[in-house]
Amino acid sequence: GQQLNQSPQSMFIQEGEDVSMNCTSSSIFNTWLWYKQDPGEGPVLLIALYKAGELTSNGRLTAQFGITRKDSFLNISASIPSDVGIYFCAGRKYGGSQGNLIFGKGTKLSVKP
Amino acid sequence: DADVTQTPRNRITKTGKRIMLECSQTKGHDRMYWYRQDPGLGLRLIYYSFDVKDINKGEISDGYSVSRQAQAKFSLSLESAIPNQTALYFCATSDPLTAGGNNEQFFGPGTRLTVL
Repeated sequence: GQQLNQSPQSMFIQEGEDVSMNCTSSSIFNTWLWYKQDPGEGPVLLIALYKAGELTSNGRLTAQFGITRKDSFLNISASIPSDVGIYFCAGRKYGGSQGNLIFGKGTKLSVKP
Repeated sequence: DADVTQTPRNRITKTGKRIMLECSQTKGHDRMYWYRQDPGLGLRLIYYSFDVKDINKGEISDGYSVSRQAQAKFSLSLESAIPNQTALYFCATSDPLTAGGNNEQFFGPGTRLTVL
């Protein structure tokens, strides 16, 4: 079964607020990825992380690869209505099958204008 | 044009029918995947293929089969559809030789399948 705990499951925020979500696991990961899924579409890659402690930004999005290699977080600053969607973390376990990603269950973000 | 396309985008079928979902990609990637998405469960891997002669079962392969007809095409079949296979199905591709040598996956737009 799935081995990533993603939280929160859903968030309702006001436009302009900052958002934070995270994924944790009891296993060590050597890759963390964050995807966003818009309604009716497939997930789109936002940020990829490859090293423990790595902090990477993509516009208003910032993600970090946890130093223990068992977690990652995604922050969105100054949210806007188009940030609405489902955000998924995904990771590749250390020693796991090549290419196989494990996905979190998603964080559904709603933004009130 | 989309790099990863899926057909059909929507399909309604009856229990017991055979269904094939198709995926094509123009990214030139060797690796292709089929996922299933259910509300609250995220994405779960059904099958994956690392090249034309390679097929591997994922987390939830029972009731499904796949065919990798060419590097660019990977189809998913439900031999005898049942209602609990109602879900969103996504195809994805990756190439370990690009994107920093790691397996970032690129997804198609999805197929919404309803089994009555």
